[in-house]
Amino acid sequence: QKEVEQNSGPLSVPEGAIASLNCTYSDRVSQSFFWYRQYSGKSPELIMSIYSNGDKEDGRFTAQLNKASQYVSLLIRDSQPSDSATYLCAVPNSGYSTLTFGKGTMLLVSP
Amino acid sequence: DGGITQSPKYLFRKEGQNVTLSCEQNLNHDAMYWYRQDPGQGLRLIYYSQIVNDFQKGDIAEGYSVSREKKESFPLTVTSAQKNPTAFYLCASSSGTGDYNEQFFGPGTRLTVL
Repeated sequence: QKEVEQNSGPLSVPEGAIASLNCTYSDRVSQSFFWYRQYSGKSPELIMSIYSNGDKEDGRFTAQLNKASQYVSLLIRDSQPSDSATYLCAVPNSGYSTLTFGKGTMLLVSP
Repeated sequence: DGGITQSPKYLFRKEGQNVTLSCEQNLNHDAMYWYRQDPGQGLRLIYYSQIVNDFQKGDIAEGYSVSREKKESFPLTVTSAQKNPTAFYLCASSSGTGDYNEQFFGPGTRLTVL
């Protein structure tokens, strides 16, 4: 099974700044990655899927995948206090139709 | 309005009791999953099912049981054999497989042992 590593944080950024969240994984075979946002006491919400090398942009969110270096990152531009949450990275386990989740990075955006 | 529902939202269990958590989805997804989340921890897979009448153990299946008699429903029973069941339980479903396995979560059930 893959290992997925995330810095637990908290990562503190001021409102309006760019927040950069990183995820590294152990298996070079991984082809896709998912980012989830989890507010305190709530369930995870899928916010971004990325399937190929390079960048994928969706509004203020940009996911960057670097297969050679085995990391995926999530950039949040113009961070808002409402972005304060834990962000989970997930990687599919080939052949098992399951995901391995990282433990998540807590993001705190201060007004 | 499509989605995943879980009930109850909060559940209290006495020592030695079995309890069943409900998970229903109307997204027409084939696959369903149960996870457990403890404070400060990631999601750990308990059981999953890719098709009706079939399910597989995840990483922490001991003390839990499931059934999948209908596509829409995947109930989880926490048995008395589970020694530390206090946790946040999350149900998820997916229409994709392999690298396209985007999973969507229900609101969760918070179980507390008294």
